[in-house]
Amino acid sequence: EAGVAQSPRYKIIEKRQSVAFWCNPISGHATLYWYQQILGQGPKLLIQFQNNGVVDDSQLPKDRFSAERLKGVDSTLKIQPAKLEDSAVYLCASSSIKKGQGTSYEQYFGPGTRLTVT
Amino acid sequence: QQPVQSPQAVILREGEDAVINCSSSKALYSVHWYRQKHGEAPVFLMILLKGGEQKGHDKISASFNEKKQQSSLYLTASQLSYSGTYFCGTAGNQGGKLIFGQGTELSVKP
Repeated sequence: EAGVAQSPRYKIIEKRQSVAFWCNPISGHATLYWYQQILGQGPKLLIQFQNNGVVDDSQLPKDRFSAERLKGVDSTLKIQPAKLEDSAVYLCASSSIKKGQGTSYEQYFGPGTRLTVT
Repeated sequence: QQPVQSPQAVILREGEDAVINCSSSKALYSVHWYRQKHGEAPVFLMILLKGGEQKGHDKISASFNEKKQQSSLYLTASQLSYSGTYFCGTAGNQGGKLIFGQGTELSVKP
């Protein structure tokens, strides 16, 4: 089974420029997540999609960040304009519902995109 | 509310045991454990659901005390490959968003 794919792996931009990241989840996974991981910290959820609908975007800085998941498969995350504090690794993860003794949502992460804003 | 992990860092010799704790101030439905090696993506270890169950595979196991809103990850007879940063992620309801702790850095030395 192919894992979560992300591109690019690395990106360096100047502040006020724009950047876009792409994610292709594991086939069949209805739920897709974008996380921001600042060096030395745990991942922080930016946005969660269920198919192509937004479930939670409460921590997405909507004045500069946007995300879409057209057709309920792959997704793009955009930052425009970028700030220095946006330097981080952007992780995409996906999950499917596992029903049984309690419903669980194991998340599988992609390799991430390391963004450096100068 | 971000869960609190302890200790922040631990250094072990191969074969030694370690316990990593994760505490939340809110009622929990599930606790997820992940390991992240430097420069790599977090890798899923296990999930514990409301009900106080204990799970494990190989020499890594975990418990979840729903009443205390705590989970502990147990690593026994540690191997060099166990080195990395361990994160717990907590969710307050079924399908709820995960909030990750700040991580515990584990180093296993030969």
